[in-house]
Amino acid sequence: DIQMTQSPSSLSASVGDRVTITCRASQSIDKYLNWYQQKPGKAPKLLIYAASSLQSGVPSRFSGSASGTDFTLTISSLQPEDFATYYCQQSYRSLYTFGQGTKLEIK
Amino acid sequence: EVQLLESGGGLVQPGGSLRLSCAASAFSFSSYAMSWVRQAPGKGLEWVSGISGSADRTYYTDSVKGRFTISRDNSKNTLYLQMNSLRAEDTAVYYCAKDRSYYDYSGYPYDAFDIWGQGTMVTVSS
Repeated sequence: DIQMTQSPSSLSASVGDRVTITCRASQSIDKYLNWYQQKPGKAPKLLIYAASSLQSGVPSRFSGSASGTDFTLTISSLQPEDFATYYCQQSYRSLYTFGQGTKLEIK
Repeated sequence: EVQLLESGGGLVQPGGSLRLSCAASAFSFSSYAMSWVRQAPGKGLEWVSGISGSADRTYYTDSVKGRFTISRDNSKNTLYLQMNSLRAEDTAVYYCAKDRSYYDYSGYPYDAFDIWGQGTMVTVSS
């Protein structure tokens, strides 16, 4: 199975900050990498697909990039509604796997 | 509005069985692969099982292989997860998710879960 390792596991930041979350795949997955946002008690929401494509309706402050087996989710200027948990997920193999999550908290 | 609605969760004893359902609406259900994803209390997301649109291919994570069976009835726009030999570690919120293929300029498909249900809780305990 392909393992996905996210870092950091938690992060404290302030409104207006630029934040970066990283996800590393255990093998090459091309750009088969998605990012989701989950708020407490709610279902996950797709933010980014194919490593860098913004899902319709998602604010442009969210962006994704890829370099080899390393993937990055960047939030350019944190807004109050962005405090949540973020997950990466690989769709390279039909046995999908998620990262362990990054909890973004208010400083 | 595109929607997924899970049902069938509840409390079951270890070794017991449960069948989850996911009713889809407002999209061409048979055209899309579907998956079940679970989340244990206070933990992260875990993909459990997936099925192709025509139900000719199914996939399972190792921990549920041989115990869980995914299926779908395209005439009823409904996805199912039959869970047998349940264990305490199967306790989780179970989400169904629509698997959409996005195509880049070269025509390659990239899959992602674009629609999720609200989840149904499964508790395995004596």
